[in-house]
Amino acid sequence: KAGVTQTPRYLIKTRGQQVTLSCSPISGHRSVSWYQQTPGQGLQFLFEYFSETQRNKGNFPGRFSGRQFSNSRSEMNVSTLELGDSALYLCASSSLAGPTTDTQYFGPGTRLTVL
Amino acid sequence: AQTVTQSQPEMSVQEAETVTLSCTYDTSESNYYLFWYKQPPSRQMILVIRQEAYKQQNATENRFSVNFQKAAKSFSLKISDSQLGDTAMYFCAFMSIGGNTPLVFGKGTRLSVIA
Repeated sequence: KAGVTQTPRYLIKTRGQQVTLSCSPISGHRSVSWYQQTPGQGLQFLFEYFSETQRNKGNFPGRFSGRQFSNSRSEMNVSTLELGDSALYLCASSSLAGPTTDTQYFGPGTRLTVL
Repeated sequence: AQTVTQSQPEMSVQEAETVTLSCTYDTSESNYYLFWYKQPPSRQMILVIRQEAYKQQNATENRFSVNFQKAAKSFSLKISDSQLGDTAMYFCAFMSIGGNTPLVFGKGTRLSVIA
């Protein structure tokens, strides 16, 4: 099976712009989670989607949003970019069936730089 | 809230030697998963090993094994016959079973394997 894919791999934006990142999970996986990784804060959970519904959300401002499509592909959007949004954004998918979750497999990440 | 602590920011080991990475966690739950993920310079987060808390037997995956001490809330990773390709950041992570909870990561240990 192909792994989790993320596009684009690298992005450079300027303050105030918005950005959309895309994630395609492993075939058959229905849960997609997003994490932000920075040197200072480490890995922080953004949100998780299952069957097109956001099931869980981390402690991030409303500028961070996401969605999931019927084919389980997910996008996250960051509006009004700030310098502090520069980070590696990781997407992970898992094959859970039901209310619980399972092992998460990660994509290669999208490196976002905000100038 | 759960916390994961990795007390060794950096470690090094000679090629072919054995190294142990430490991890402790704090939780009031009795049913959960613990993981070790590896993040090489490519930044791809790779699952190394998983341990279910209800299993007394320590998980092993080839050269990787864990020492899971549930009462002590300790979860160390042993890498045997270290190889240059093991050079990476290693993250310990916790996940509750049920409740759609995300992974909670430690700050990571940077491991360098020296030829």
